[in-house]
Amino acid sequence: GENVEQHPSTLSVQEGDSAVIKCTYSDSASNYFPWYKQELGKRPQLIIDIRSNVGEKKDQRIAVTLNKTAKHFSLHITETQPEDSAVYFCAASSTSNTGKLIFGQGTTLQVKP
Amino acid sequence: EAGVAQSPRYKIIEKRQSVAFWCNPISGHATLYWYQQILGQGPKLLIQFQNNGVVDDSQLPKDRFSAERLKGVDSTLKIQPAKLEDSAVYLCASSSHRGGNTIYFGEGSWLTVV
Repeated sequence: GENVEQHPSTLSVQEGDSAVIKCTYSDSASNYFPWYKQELGKRPQLIIDIRSNVGEKKDQRIAVTLNKTAKHFSLHITETQPEDSAVYFCAASSTSNTGKLIFGQGTTLQVKP
Repeated sequence: EAGVAQSPRYKIIEKRQSVAFWCNPISGHATLYWYQQILGQGPKLLIQFQNNGVVDDSQLPKDRFSAERLKGVDSTLKIQPAKLEDSAVYLCASSSHRGGNTIYFGEGSWLTVV
């Protein structure tokens, strides 16, 4: 069945450093890859997404890269700030069929001031 | 624009009791999802509706969970009877269309089964 693997499960960085979170997916039909940020006790919120027709997308300090051949995609956060501390989830879905969104297990990012 | 509304926010019940959660999606959103998020894990899709029809319920434990979306707007998720392992946050979400469109989540309904 469809599966999304996410690594690492926890990540601790110093303020100002970069953070990278990686995900792999199993369904080759997947063509939409969003990233969600979830703060403690809050709802998951979309921070960036990428579609399979592009290899990279950037929005200020965050960027996502996609390698369809290898079936993996990554989230890059530069110049990390303490407010970036949260749990980050990757997800994948296909616009064909049901469009079901499958989530990874999450990465807890801690940015130390 | 109003977001996805859910109630109740918190519920504590004893095992074998029943519970129901309500969701009102963003106005005009045809696709509605119920996800289960166990502490420390990613959200797991329980059921997906397109208007008032079920698109995917492959991971819904149908012996105890049921969901409906009458009139293609509001939805309810019911658990009967509840088990200890049902303790989780139940997230409702909606999108304008299925597949490839931004999914917006509600704040969730936190269930504790004791």
